[in-house]
Amino acid sequence: SQKIEQNSEALNIQEGKTATLTCNYTNYSPAYLQWYRQDPGRGPVFLLLIRENEKEKRKERLKVTFDTTLKQSLFHITASQPADSATYLCARRGGANNLFFGTGTRLTVIP
Amino acid sequence: KAGVTQTPRYLIKTRGQQVTLSCSPISGHRSVSWYQQTPGQGLQFLFEYFSETQRNKGNFPGRFSGRQFSNSRSEMNVSTLELGDSALYLCASSSRTSGEVVEQFFGPGTRLTVL
Repeated sequence: SQKIEQNSEALNIQEGKTATLTCNYTNYSPAYLQWYRQDPGRGPVFLLLIRENEKEKRKERLKVTFDTTLKQSLFHITASQPADSATYLCARRGGANNLFFGTGTRLTVIP
Repeated sequence: KAGVTQTPRYLIKTRGQQVTLSCSPISGHRSVSWYQQTPGQGLQFLFEYFSETQRNKGNFPGRFSGRQFSNSRSEMNVSTLELGDSALYLCASSSRTSGEVVEQFFGPGTRLTVL
């Protein structure tokens, strides 16, 4: 089956360091991947989209890479802050307009 | 622009009952998708509506249904509730019409508890 997996359920990191989250996919070649942030009790918020022909995308302190050889996307938060603590979800396209989400990585930035 | 709104925010029901959840998309968005989020299964796609037509459906039983009105507002209905239906139900709208890739804007969700 076409899977999308976020291997780390939780990640703790010291403030100021770079957080790196991983999203792997199997049996599928997604045309793009999306990354979302979700805070407790709230809906996901879109952060970045990266297409298969893009190696890297940046937005402020965020950077996403897409490696079609490794079938992997990496999501980086540089100079992490406690306010970055949240669950981060990667998603690939499903059918017409639905998304298949990974299970998410809960990031905690320790002051 | 106002965001996606969902009502009610919290709901408690008992097994066997039915429930209707409502979603108002961002003004101008005609695509509305519904997702179920549980700790065990994560976020799972339920269905998508566009211009009052269901365009796509996830792998859920027929007890889960939905509809969309001419003003793009959408409702989803779950009949004969089971304990396993307890979840956060999220609605997402997008400006997508066909083909192109766009982000989805999620509402705050409706927390449904089935006792």
